[in-house]
Amino acid sequence: AQTVTQSQPEMSVQEAETVTLSCTYDTSESDYYLFWYKQPPSRQMILVIRQEAYKQQNATENRFSVNFQKAAKSFSLKISDSQLGDAAMYFCALGGGADGLTFGKGTHLIIQP
Amino acid sequence: DGGITQSPKYLFRKEGQNVTLSCEQNLNHDAMYWYRQDPGQGLRLIYYSQIVNDFQKGDIAEGYSVSREKKESFPLTVTSAQKNPTAFYLCASSIFGTSGSRSFGAGTRLSVL
Repeated sequence: AQTVTQSQPEMSVQEAETVTLSCTYDTSESDYYLFWYKQPPSRQMILVIRQEAYKQQNATENRFSVNFQKAAKSFSLKISDSQLGDAAMYFCALGGGADGLTFGKGTHLIIQP
Repeated sequence: DGGITQSPKYLFRKEGQNVTLSCEQNLNHDAMYWYRQDPGQGLRLIYYSQIVNDFQKGDIAEGYSVSREKKESFPLTVTSAQKNPTAFYLCASSIFGTSGSRSFGAGTRLSVL
């Protein structure tokens, strides 16, 4: 069975600062993908960033980047220059192919103005 | 615009009643998924379908049923056997065999009267 663990139920950061959200996972698959999704108060799930496990290079999307440590099964999300619009629940997810993703319980990110 | 449409946005169920949540997509995606989200929890997979007329149980399928008669549609029925149906339900889709990124609908909030 696959598992995803997010150990930080809530994080707070000052606007314009950098914050890192943690995620660890476990899987017996050799080929998989990792994702970070954002869920704002509207509850719409929005894909933030995606990482293929076979790629060593960490994925980056504008202010969002990941630190993927395959051996340690760690997949953290770094948000640089935090903005008020970044406030949301953030979910780490594991999966691949056409099967369902396994999600962590989420981290509530608060942005202090 | 392509996307996933879930309806209704809010739904109320009476004791012993079956209710059906609608999910329609015009993204030409092969695979579709139903997730349940409870407060303080991540998303849990109920059912998924990779092709028309075929579907598989997820982690929490008991008390739910689905059909996939058309590629565009994947309705979820919450039966009277589901004793704790109050939750937020999300439908998602993806192109079969790709990296696994999911597009999500806006969700349906189901409550028990």
